[in-house]
Amino acid sequence: DSGVTQTPKHLITATGQRVTLRCSPRSGDLSVYWYQQSLDQGLQFLIQYYNGEERAKGNILERFSAQQFPDLHSELNLSSLELGDSALYFCASSVVDGTLHFGNGTRLTVT
Amino acid sequence: AQTVTQSQPEMSVQEAETVTLSCTYDTSESNYYLFWYKQPPSRQMILVIRQEAYKQQNATENRFSVNFQKAAKSFSLKISDSQLGDTAMYFCALLERNDYKLSFGAGTTVTVRA
Repeated sequence: DSGVTQTPKHLITATGQRVTLRCSPRSGDLSVYWYQQSLDQGLQFLIQYYNGEERAKGNILERFSAQQFPDLHSELNLSSLELGDSALYFCASSVVDGTLHFGNGTRLTVT
Repeated sequence: AQTVTQSQPEMSVQEAETVTLSCTYDTSESNYYLFWYKQPPSRQMILVIRQEAYKQQNATENRFSVNFQKAAKSFSLKISDSQLGDTAMYFCALLERNDYKLSFGAGTTVTVRA
C-alpha cells in the first residue's frame, strides 16, 4: 500500500459529461502529480501541485483542470468528455527526495 | 527537455534466469534522479529502485540492481533469479531536480516463463 488514495476506482460516464477524480496524498507529502495512461500506453504527465500551488504543467487539455486544497488533497476535473479520454488516471505524491508514490488509479470509461 | 528511451518493447525470460532492461535518457542537468517502476497486470505503479545521479555506486534492491553509466546516460535494470511475480511492464523514469516532472519511457513488457 503506497499510502496514496484515489477515488473512485472505476468511473463510467457518457460523452459530453463532467467528472471529478479525487486524490489524497501520503501523510506529509506536499506534492501531488496527475498522470494519464491510455490503453497500452506509457504515462503522460498532466500537472503537478506543491502545497496548494501549481508547479508544473504537462500536456493537459483545456477541458481538464485540477487543484490542490488546503488539506493537500487534490481533484482532477475532466469536462466535455470524449471517447479518447478513456484511460487510467494516476495520482502520485512525493516529498523532497523526488520519489513518487502512486495511488491505484481511477479507471475512466467514456461511452 | 528531458527524454527517456526504452528500446526493448518486450522481453521474455525463464524463471530463475537473469534479464537486463535497457534505458537511456537525455538531460542537460547534473542534479537528477532515475527510477524504475513496475506495473503488473493489476496496473498498480510500484517503485522498484531509484538512483541519485550524484552517487557513483549502483543501487541494489534485493534481486534488482542497476548499471548507472552517467557519461553514457544509460540506466539499465537487471532482474536476477526471475520469478513469475516479476511479470509486468517496467518503466524507466527521470526526474530533474529543477523541473519536478517525472518523465517516463514507453515501457518494456517482461514475461517470466515457468
